Amino acid sequence: QVQVVESGGGVVQPGRSVRLSCVASGFTVSRFSVNWVRQAPGKGLEWLAVMSFDGSNKFYADSVKGRLTIYRDNSKNTVYLEIDNLRPEDTGVYFCAKDLADERVEEAFDIWGQGTVVTVAS
Amino acid sequence: DIVMTQSPDSLAVSLGERATINCKSSQSIFFNSNYYLAWYQQKPGQPPKLLFFWASTRQSGVPDRFSGSGSGTDFTLTISSLQAEDVAVYYCQQYFSAPITFGQGTRLEI
Repeated sequence: QVQVVESGGGVVQPGRSVRLSCVASGFTVSRFSVNWVRQAPGKGLEWLAVMSFDGSNKFYADSVKGRLTIYRDNSKNTVYLEIDNLRPEDTGVYFCAKDLADERVEEAFDIWGQGTVVTVAS
Repeated sequence: DIVMTQSPDSLAVSLGERATINCKSSQSIFFNSNYYLAWYQQKPGQPPKLLFFWASTRQSGVPDRFSGSGSGTDFTLTISSLQAEDVAVYYCQQYFSAPITFGQGTRLEI
């Protein structure tokens, strides 16, 4: 079964960092681009970052550029998102989502995880 | 960045009636005979679910009462006969270029 499972969320103090994990099963992250999308409480979807299938390209949303790092471990079939210098407005559900087609970057997202909740508060 | 604007923000439709949601991109998202436009459905407490990609290609398992259409910079999601289980927030998304952007969402109610 093709799925992604996020983890790593929790309550984090402002100014600290968090590392979120997206474990893939049923497909290999070296063949599919993987994205991170967040949703603030009661708000819409905000795309954050993508790591291309071949690892050669990483793109970030302008709103959080400079504070995000996306990377992966092929041996664990896992994509990570690190967020530095957390702010209260980073509070929300963080989803990992797989691209529909393999070996492409510009694709819709066909598989989403249930998300992991990050709460930035002191 | 490409801005995606949906209308209306919310919509109430009677069971069995047609629901229409619009999405407009701030610039062309067309290339190689394809519109880089997707539609998602999100129900409370759930992740988004892909309904359409390439503007009009229905994802496997999506009921055929749902249809996607559009051209230029204007796109439409139509539900031909609203069912109770269609209550959700619907989002359009452009994946033509990074940063990928979503519309603000349209809340569909009975």
